[in-house]
Amino acid sequence: GQSLEQPSEVTAVEGAIVQINCTYQTSGFYGLSWYQQHDGGAPTFLSYNALDGLEETGRFSSFLSRSDSYGYLLLQELQMKDSASYFCAVSFNTGGFKTIFGAGTRLFVKA
Amino acid sequence: NAGVTQTPKFQVLKTGQSMTLQCAQDMNHNSMYWYRQDPGMGLRLIYYSASEGTTDKGEVPNGYNVSRLNKREFSLRLESAAPSQTSVYFCASSASSGGSYEQYFGPGTRLTVT
Repeated sequence: GQSLEQPSEVTAVEGAIVQINCTYQTSGFYGLSWYQQHDGGAPTFLSYNALDGLEETGRFSSFLSRSDSYGYLLLQELQMKDSASYFCAVSFNTGGFKTIFGAGTRLFVKA
Repeated sequence: NAGVTQTPKFQVLKTGQSMTLQCAQDMNHNSMYWYRQDPGMGLRLIYYSASEGTTDKGEVPNGYNVSRLNKREFSLRLESAAPSQTSVYFCASSASSGGSYEQYFGPGTRLTVT
């Protein structure tokens, strides 16, 4: 079957850098995505990695190592508004594309 | 563009009642999804429709049925609601079911079954 693991909570200070890790087990791996969700809101897409390496989008970067079945989301210059839950999601193809989400990492940004 | 819309926003059901959650998207997307989210858990895929005319089971399909009415609309039906189905339900769509296509989510339906 497929599984993802990510830390349940991370706390960081405003202006700092934080890394949220995600490890996965899946067959037919296709790519790793990251989504952000504020309390009471809907998930919104942040990034997608299909190949090894770092993808940068503004203050957010995402990394993938397919050989290690591992990825991370890097948030720089943290702001209070970054306090939210962050989900990694694995896309795989086993007779049809599917995406499954991790349980989420709750990020608390302190002043 | 409204994006992905869901109705209703809130619903309270008694055990054994039935209801249909509605979802529509105006982005001309091929693929649509239904997820449930329980406290402290991620999104779990209930059913998805890779393209108009097709539907397939996700991780937790038991107790649910779906209908891809047309390219825009994808409904989720609970035939006999149970307290274990108390959850927040999200509908999402994407241009294609391939993993590189980001999913756009609706605002969610908060369902309580008593």
